[in-house]
Amino acid sequence: EDQVTQSPEALRLQEGESSSLNCSYTVSGLRGLFWYRQDPGKGPEFLFTLYSAGEEKEKERLKATLTKKESFLHITAPKPEDSATYLCAVLQTRRRETALIFGKGTTLSVSS
Amino acid sequence: GAVVSQHPSRVICKSGTSVKIECRSLDFQATTMFWYRQFPKKSLMLMATSNEGSKATYEQGVEKDKFLINHASLTLSTLTVTSAHPEDSSFYICSARPIRLAGTDTQYFGPGTRLTVL
Repeated sequence: EDQVTQSPEALRLQEGESSSLNCSYTVSGLRGLFWYRQDPGKGPEFLFTLYSAGEEKEKERLKATLTKKESFLHITAPKPEDSATYLCAVLQTRRRETALIFGKGTTLSVSS
Repeated sequence: GAVVSQHPSRVICKSGTSVKIECRSLDFQATTMFWYRQFPKKSLMLMATSNEGSKATYEQGVEKDKFLINHASLTLSTLTVTSAHPEDSSFYICSARPIRLAGTDTQYFGPGTRLTVL
């Protein structure tokens, strides 16, 4: 069964303290891995799509990387405004259609 | 670009009534839209896949007669919660996938609708 597991469940950082969030997955034939950011009471905001092992993408203080078994979201010198829940999802083929399977997310809190 | 809107953002209704939620892609066309449900501090659970001009595909355990989905155009999908009960109270989020270009499968999400059934 396809699964997405994110760790840690919650992460508290000081402003400027870099860290990484992990997303491990088991899926038959990865067609894409996605990172989203979700603020409380809002819909997920798209961050990155990764398609193949070795691929990396960056956006401001965020960098996403992908291996054959997991993806990392690296946060460099975070600021309080980076506080949010970060969701990882993999693309799964279902009955001729594709669907996103989400992990439970990592809630990041950055204090100044 | 890639903006998805939802209306209403919040709705409170009485038990037994029906509620319609609209999902619109504002600056792109989408043959496929998705409806998710999210409980507090939980991740998104896919309810159904909505395809323009055809019947929606529902996930296992989701009652299609209770959650009616209509995808009338390339920019609009609606979810109607019929005969709502308190257990239907939740955060409903839609997403839309732009008509495929260069093999992208990225979904863009709306801001969500908070439904409270009294």
